[in-house]
Amino acid sequence: GAVVSQHPSRVICKSGTSVKIECRSLDFQATTMFWYRQFPKKSLMLMATSNEGSKATYEQGVEKDKFLINHASLTLSTLTVTSAHPEDSSFYICSARETGGLNQPQHFGDGTRLSIL
Amino acid sequence: SQKIEQNSEALNIQEGKTATLTCNYTNYSPAYLQWYRQDPGRGPVFLLLIRENEKEKRKERLKVTFDTTLKQSLFHITASQPADSATYLCALDGVDSSYKLIFGSGTRLLVRP
Repeated sequence: GAVVSQHPSRVICKSGTSVKIECRSLDFQATTMFWYRQFPKKSLMLMATSNEGSKATYEQGVEKDKFLINHASLTLSTLTVTSAHPEDSSFYICSARETGGLNQPQHFGDGTRLSIL
Repeated sequence: SQKIEQNSEALNIQEGKTATLTCNYTNYSPAYLQWYRQDPGRGPVFLLLIRENEKEKRKERLKVTFDTTLKQSLFHITASQPADSATYLCALDGVDSSYKLIFGSGTRLLVRP
């Protein structure tokens, strides 16, 4: 089945550091990928929709200058948390949807646990 | 206001019994509804998708119903096993013809041996 690989799985770094997270679709092409943030025992909160070859679409309240998204190819999207601070600590998950429009499942990566000291 | 709600408390059942999880939504009109399983520290895994014009969908021990009048989906796991213990998320699909999924907060299921 379709596989999405997310890397790294865990990051611990100092406040002020910028952190890049990669999301790859391994056996299918994804023109659209999604980035979520999840707090403990809470639902997935959509941060932005990443579109191959164009700008990402951010959800209301998500700072685009803080969370930079690049979707340079049909199999890779990256999320960069710029100048991260402790409040950015969270579980970040990406997903990719197979082409075919609606009614296709989303395939998720295994998430990145980000801890800012 | 728009809401999607799942049982907030954990569901604790005996192995072999049927687990029933509920997903209710208000002020949305999804074209589809999806169910996912999430294990601790992992990303969600797709289980089933049901269309608005389908009443019921089955896959092995899983069954999903979708009632657009009640704005409710029920997710059943028959002959439950301890390995079924996880958090189960429902997600609204095709709202406003968007490709985004709107997730509920999930229900944690614990199956006792």
